[in-house]
This record gives sequence, C-alpha cells and structure tokens, in this order.
Amino acid sequence: QKEVEQNSGPLSVPEGAIASLNCTYSDRGSQSFFWYRQYSGKSPELIMFIYSNGDKEDGRFTAQLNKASQYVSLLIRDSQPSDSATYLCAGQTNDYKLSFGAGTTVTVRA
Amino acid sequence: GAGVSQSPSNKVTEKGKDVELRCDPISGHTALYWYRQRLGQGLEFLIYFQGNSAPDKSGLPSDRFSAERTGESVSTLTIQRTQQEDSAVYLCASSRLDGYGYTFGSGTRLTVV
Repeated sequence: QKEVEQNSGPLSVPEGAIASLNCTYSDRGSQSFFWYRQYSGKSPELIMFIYSNGDKEDGRFTAQLNKASQYVSLLIRDSQPSDSATYLCAGQTNDYKLSFGAGTTVTVRA
Repeated sequence: GAGVSQSPSNKVTEKGKDVELRCDPISGHTALYWYRQRLGQGLEFLIYFQGNSAPDKSGLPSDRFSAERTGESVSTLTIQRTQQEDSAVYLCASSRLDGYGYTFGSGTRLTVV
C-alpha cells in the first residue's frame, strides 16, 4: 500500500466552479500535509500546508484535514483556467521526508 | 542563492555511460532531497541529506545510484552505467531544519538512449 494515495481524477471542471481533490494516507504518524501544484513541464510549487484537524483557507484554496479518517482534501473555489495543473498531495512522515501521491490532473474549461 | 539551482537542465546520454547531476540548495537550508519523476507519474523519493550526512537513502533504486553533499551546500547525484529505465526528471529540493516548505529546483531531464 502506498503511503499517500490520491483517489480522484483526472478532474475537469468549468470555469468558476469548485474543484475538489482528495487524498488518503496510511501512516498515522504523519504530522503535516502539503499540497503542491505542478504545471506541465515545470517543478512542483507549494501552495498550502496543514497540520491541524479542520480547515485552512488561503485565498481561493481551502485545505481540510481529518486525522481520524486519515483524509486530506483541497478545494479550489472559483476555478480559473490558470488552475489547470497536476496537484500533488504529500504527507510528512519521518525525518522531514515527504511522501507524495501520484497527483491529480485538473483541467478548468473556459 | 534565491532558489534551488539544478544543472544541467537537460542531459542526453548513451546507455552504459555515467552521469552527474548537480543541485545547489537555497542558502541556509540544511536539508536536501532528491526525487525522481518518470513521465506521467508521481514523485519517487531517492535520498535525503541533513547537512552532509544521509540519514535516509532508502529510495536509491540500485547500487548504480549514489549521492554526496558537501557540508550544507552542493549535492551531486551520480548514476553509473545508465539504463533506459533511468530516463526521468530528477528533482532536487531543499528546506529549513523544520522541514516545512520544500522548495524544488527546476529539475534535470535525463534521457538515456
């Protein structure tokens, strides 16, 4: 079993809609979770991190963490064509190492 | 420097040749990581440095892969006797001691022909 699984996608949403991305993890020792955005041919860039149960909002992005269910999600509100990318979920397991999911590709239709 | 710098950006090599990939982390970042990303796939952990020691090199796929780091500075990933399955983008990242906010370099695209 992979440590981090992203179990949605590819995802296509119309402009202005909400894109919902999901991620589950197997290591209960994971403390912090990160969402990276990766445009085609580019390296990943950090967009959000979360370490407490509940919601964390940053602009149009909201990360949600439920440690009891071992579930992390990312909501993108008012999706824009520039949000079209692959989104990577990562859990910080031990010694600061991040374990990444395979990614969810999001396409926002204009 | 301002960001994580990797060189070369692209490398085409013949099967069986050795290659060296270089990573120059952000100044002050004590932790350095190497990942591999095959086409259309996720990030595969290779090795992690804290300073110049490597407490976790569990992701190195074979003994053809090795890496070293000079102090809290430059790291080199060496692949000996390259194989076609080594073709991938090799990404380096660095972070502060607390591990938050990995910053990735732009990667080295390795093609083995």
